[in-house]
Amino acid sequence: EAQVTQNPRYLITVTGKKLTVTCSQNMNHEYMSWYRQDPGLGLRQIYYSMNVEVTDKGDVPEGYKVSRKEKRNFPLILESPSPNQTSLYFCASSLSPGGNTIYFGEGSWLTVV
Amino acid sequence: RKEVEQDPGPFNVPEGATVAFNCTYSNSASQSFFWYRQDCRKEPKLLMSVYSSGNEDGRFTAQLNRASQYISLLIRDSKLSDSATYLCVVSAMDTGRRALTFGSGTRLQVQP
Repeated sequence: EAQVTQNPRYLITVTGKKLTVTCSQNMNHEYMSWYRQDPGLGLRQIYYSMNVEVTDKGDVPEGYKVSRKEKRNFPLILESPSPNQTSLYFCASSLSPGGNTIYFGEGSWLTVV
Repeated sequence: RKEVEQDPGPFNVPEGATVAFNCTYSNSASQSFFWYRQDCRKEPKLLMSVYSSGNEDGRFTAQLNRASQYISLLIRDSKLSDSATYLCVVSAMDTGRRALTFGSGTRLQVQP
């Protein structure tokens, strides 16, 4: 079954404590990305990756890092989380950057206090 | 002004009603258009692509008006299970890469 798996699904953490949200896909997709979703703002892209070792900033990259050492994995790293990073995060995977082949993970609810 | 704008709703309609949503976009170079459905606290899922000539998938009809820069989604014979948020998604080239812009969604509540 085609899947994008992200963990943790729910997390409450404190300001400044580094955390990583993992993302893994089983479809051999080259294109992966991270989005955050906030009320009234829609999904905004944080980072994306066109392939292994190829990553680039999306629209709201500040405060985040990513890596793509393997094709299937694309972790999102918050080195020093702040309360404004409280959000719902989605990892996405697709054959191409186009909009008709995207598979989203189930989402990770992150609260930074 | 937002790049992709949608009426947030909610649209409260009775079962069996026909309901239509519009979405306007500001980038005239936008190339591809989609409607996604998102259930409460769940991930978005592709509902349908929107083609220039308009397209239909069962009870759902999507239209594109490039001149006025909007897309629409029509749902006929609404079901309770149609209750969700509908996201308008627009694809365009941005600084050499294809970028997707998501609207903030229109919430539909179908009532018995």
